[in-house]
Amino acid sequence: DIQMTQSPSSLSASVGVRVTITCRASQSITNYLNWYQQKPGKAPKLLIYAASSLQSGVPSRFSGSGSGTDFTLTISSLQPEDFATYYCQQSYNTPQTFGRGTKVEIK
Amino acid sequence: EVHLLESGGGLVQPGGSLRLSCAASGFTFSSYAMSWVRQAPGKGLEWVSSISGSGGRTFYADSVKGRITISRDNSKNTLDLQMNSLRGEDTAVYYCAKGEGVFDPWGQGILVTVSS
Repeated sequence: DIQMTQSPSSLSASVGVRVTITCRASQSITNYLNWYQQKPGKAPKLLIYAASSLQSGVPSRFSGSGSGTDFTLTISSLQPEDFATYYCQQSYNTPQTFGRGTKVEIK
Repeated sequence: EVHLLESGGGLVQPGGSLRLSCAASGFTFSSYAMSWVRQAPGKGLEWVSSISGSGGRTFYADSVKGRITISRDNSKNTLDLQMNSLRGEDTAVYYCAKGEGVFDPWGQGILVTVSS
């Protein structure tokens, strides 16, 4: 199985700052990397697919980059509604595997 | 608008069985693969199973293989998950999701608790 390693596991940041979350795959997954946002008690929501494609309706302050084994999710200017847990997920092969998540908290 | 609604969860004893259902609307159900993803309390996300649009291909995580069966009824726009020989580690919120690689959207989730 492909292992997905996210870092950091949590971060504390202020509104308006730039935030970057990284995700590393245990082998090359080309660009088969997706990012989800999950708020407490809610279902995950797709933000980014194919490493860098913004899902319809997702604010443009979210962006994704990377290929091969190393990927990043960037929030250009953190907003109050962005405090949540973020998960990366590889869809290169089965079983599709997720990172352990990055919890973004208010500073 | 795509809508997915899970049902059938609850409390079950270890070794017991439970059948989850997901009612889909807002898209041509038979044209899309569907999946189940679960989340144990306070933990991360784990893919459980996927099924092709026709229902002819199914895929399972090793952790549930042989105990769980995914199926769909394209005439009723429903996705099911039959879970047998349940264990404590199966306790989780189970989400149905449209797609098999990229999961979008997700249902609200249904809690399954395996406990005596």
